[in-house]
Amino acid sequence: EDKVVQSPLSLVVHEGDTVTLNCSYEVTNFRSLLWYKQEKKAPTFLFMLTSSGIEKKSGRLSSILDKKELFSILNITATQTGDSAVYLCAVGYGNKLVFGAGTILRVKS
Amino acid sequence: NAGVTQTPKFRVLKTGQSMTLLCAQDMNHEYMYWYRQDPGMGLRLIHYSVGEGTTAKGEVPDGYNVSRLKKQNFLLGLESAAPSQTSVYFCASSIQAGYGYTFGSGTRLTVV
Repeated sequence: EDKVVQSPLSLVVHEGDTVTLNCSYEVTNFRSLLWYKQEKKAPTFLFMLTSSGIEKKSGRLSSILDKKELFSILNITATQTGDSAVYLCAVGYGNKLVFGAGTILRVKS
Repeated sequence: NAGVTQTPKFRVLKTGQSMTLLCAQDMNHEYMYWYRQDPGMGLRLIHYSVGEGTTAKGEVPDGYNVSRLKKQNFLLGLESAAPSQTSVYFCASSIQAGYGYTFGSGTRLTVV
């Protein structure tokens, strides 16, 4: 059965900490893996990954994909309270885009 | 500059009532998707379409029907609403499978 699993389900950190969010998947006909940030509204696009080993970076956020081991990580360095959100991993395969349950991140000041 | 537009934004239904949610995109995208989001469940795919006149089932299709009579519109219907369908519904579109997804702002539906 196709699935996308994120871990941890939630975590609480202090400002300045570094966090790593995980996403593993088991799908057929993989096309892409996407990371989104959601703050009470529609998901906001962060990264799209299609090739293994190529890190994508945007400010304090970075992500990498391992297509052999079927997982991706999202790193956030020097966290800020504005990073508090639900982070969603989604995998495009076949004609579908399927999401994991998300990781709830809370950054305390 | 509209992107993906969902209507309505909020709705309260009584059990057994029917309604249709409209998703409209102006980007000439082929692929369109309907999701529901419940607490702790992420977004779950209800139905999707790979082009005008086509529809397919996603992870949680029961209790919903869809139609894609025009390329720019994707309609989600609830024939007989149930409290279990209380959720936030998101529509998305993409230019092709796996790439370029754009989301609507969501519809909050409550069934009492």
